Amino acid sequence: GAGVSQSPSNKVTEKGKDVELRCDPISGHTALYWYRQSLGQGLEFLIYFQGNSAPDKSGLPSDRFSAERTGGSVSTLTIQRTQQEDSAVYLCASSYDRLMTAEKYFGPGTRLTVT
Amino acid sequence: AQSVTQLDSQVPVFEEAPVELRCNYSSSVSVYLFWYVQYPNQGLQLLLKYLSGSTLVKGINGFEAEFNKSQTSFHLRKPSVHISDTAEYFCAVSDNAGGTSYGKLTFGQGTILTVHP
Repeated sequence: GAGVSQSPSNKVTEKGKDVELRCDPISGHTALYWYRQSLGQGLEFLIYFQGNSAPDKSGLPSDRFSAERTGGSVSTLTIQRTQQEDSAVYLCASSYDRLMTAEKYFGPGTRLTVT
Repeated sequence: AQSVTQLDSQVPVFEEAPVELRCNYSSSVSVYLFWYVQYPNQGLQLLLKYLSGSTLVKGINGFEAEFNKSQTSFHLRKPSVHISDTAEYFCAVSDNAGGTSYGKLTFGQGTILTVHP
């Protein structure tokens, strides 16, 4: 079946612009996670959704970052007034439930470059 | 808070040689441990996981890892590597420290495995 998809695959934007990154999880997966992968920082947790609610937003680096999930499915990560330090690969993962043991399936990521 | 340390940022090896990628973690509670592989321009793929039971776990593509609680390690091994194993490998931990009761993963910095012919 279809895996986790993310769009766009690449995004180049100018400093100060807003960007939206989209994640389509596997159908039926209730848990959804966003991670950021950047040079020197490795893979960092950003936010966790269970259904449409986000019980853990602790990884969002600033108030310029926000995310929502609608219909228990698609999620959008929005970065306002982008800065060069936001350049990274943004990865989305989903799992069938919230258990620590549940396997997470990762999308291919969106590579964001802020010029 | 938990942390994960991958001791080698890069590991070069010749084809058909054995390889070990090292991972140490710190956590004050019971943990679940994972190894993921990332091929160029792709997402992460689960190689194997330790949840409970036997400390030696086998995964896909001939990889295995051993959980050592006393040394807080979860090293990844393969007895004979192939060119196609060239990729970046991430060790990750999930636990319920701080009241977290969902599958939040903390990752190591990654190890780039390069297999030479």
